[in-house]
Amino acid sequence: QVQLQESGPGLVQPSQTLSLTCSVSGDAITSDGKYWTWIRQRPGQGLEWIAYISNSGSTYFNLSLKSRVTISQDTSKNQFSLKLSSLTAADTAVYYCAREAAGVSALDFWGQGVLVTVSS
Amino acid sequence: QSVLTQPPSVSAAPGQKVTISCSGTSSNIGINYVSWYQQLPGTAPKLLIYENNKRPSGIPDRFSGSKSGTSATLDITGLQAGDEAHYYCGTWDSSLSYAFGIGTKVTV
Repeated sequence: QVQLQESGPGLVQPSQTLSLTCSVSGDAITSDGKYWTWIRQRPGQGLEWIAYISNSGSTYFNLSLKSRVTISQDTSKNQFSLKLSSLTAADTAVYYCAREAAGVSALDFWGQGVLVTVSS
Repeated sequence: QSVLTQPPSVSAAPGQKVTISCSGTSSNIGINYVSWYQQLPGTAPKLLIYENNKRPSGIPDRFSGSKSGTSATLDITGLQAGDEAHYYCGTWDSSLSYAFGIGTKVTV
């Protein structure tokens, strides 16, 4: 069974950079046709797709966040990471990592999510 | 604001049926597969339907999806108390982002 687990700070100061890591088990992040994705959900709001990194390392970003987002992978640890810079209170959200599989064209496995609060 | 339009809420009695619509455009639903996700209170979303009308293993056949043109629909039959959740449609958009609907709260 594929499992994803987010980790990172629960509280970050405004203007700082958020760093989150997603640890994956049950699948290799380098396996074909996989897109390792970050999604967020502001309090009481819907889902917002942020970015993905593919099994080959190619990246894709939500255009509205692209200037502030970096996504990377560590194949030795089977992890992928998100960095979001220039934080404001509007970035307060639950951040989820998820897998998109080409074979189902959908986000088929999700992490439990991590709440990140941007506040001084 | 989302490029995919869903009703904010729907409700029905136990055992009844609800239908959730997801309206898009020729830039998203019209050319791509639609997925549906269920988010129970306080939990992460779960894939319910993929490629318009397919169910992952373990999803009961009370949940069914369809797509026609630029719209998609999720039907839930034999409604149960445990189905109370938010339901989101999702698909790729030609703006090169994955789009979610605003979500529909189902009340039983």
